[in-house]
Amino acid sequence: DARVTQTPRHKVTEMGQEVTMRCQPILGHNTVFWYRQTMMQGLELLAYFRNRAPLDDSGMPKDRFSAEMPDATLATLKIQPSEPRDSAVYFCASGPGAVYEQYFGPGTRLTVT
Amino acid sequence: GIQVEQSPPDLILQEGANSTLRCNFSDSVNNLQWFHQNPWGQLINLFYIPSGTKQNGRLSATTVATERYSLLYISSSQTTDSGVYFCAVAGRAGGTSYGKLTFGQGTILTVHP
Repeated sequence: DARVTQTPRHKVTEMGQEVTMRCQPILGHNTVFWYRQTMMQGLELLAYFRNRAPLDDSGMPKDRFSAEMPDATLATLKIQPSEPRDSAVYFCASGPGAVYEQYFGPGTRLTVT
Repeated sequence: GIQVEQSPPDLILQEGANSTLRCNFSDSVNNLQWFHQNPWGQLINLFYIPSGTKQNGRLSATTVATERYSLLYISSSQTTDSGVYFCAVAGRAGGTSYGKLTFGQGTILTVHP
């Protein structure tokens, strides 16, 4: 049963700390996305990779967020330093191509105090 | 970017009732997906339907791409159908929203026994 996996599932941290979230896309999928869900903004795209290359990170606060794909089986989203307004659920999704169905992981619920 | 509007924002049903959820979008799309977010926060793929009609059990969906709307039908609703239903679209090649899902604000469905 192919699924997108994300770790950790929950993270509580103090303001100013670094947070790293990890995602393993479905094997064979060449597009990977990071989304964030908050009550105020809903679901919004942060970053988008194709064949491990970043295509669009316009939704990400550049000064504190960074997204990478060190290899085809791992995508990371880092926040440094974290702030209380970063509290949200972060979803990773993958798909077999730009115009195809995207499949979402279970999300990482981040709380920054 | 593409605008996505879902209606109604909230829907309360008795078990066994039928319902129709609507998604309007502002531009041509080559990806349209319906998701169900369950009470545990998981985004479950319901349909990938940039055009045409599909059915899966008690659920069916229709997208009329030329008129820029999609409908999700739920028949004989069950309490397990409760949750939030999202429509998400991505624009055509050459546009700024190509490959990137833009989500509507969702329809919150509550099904009472």
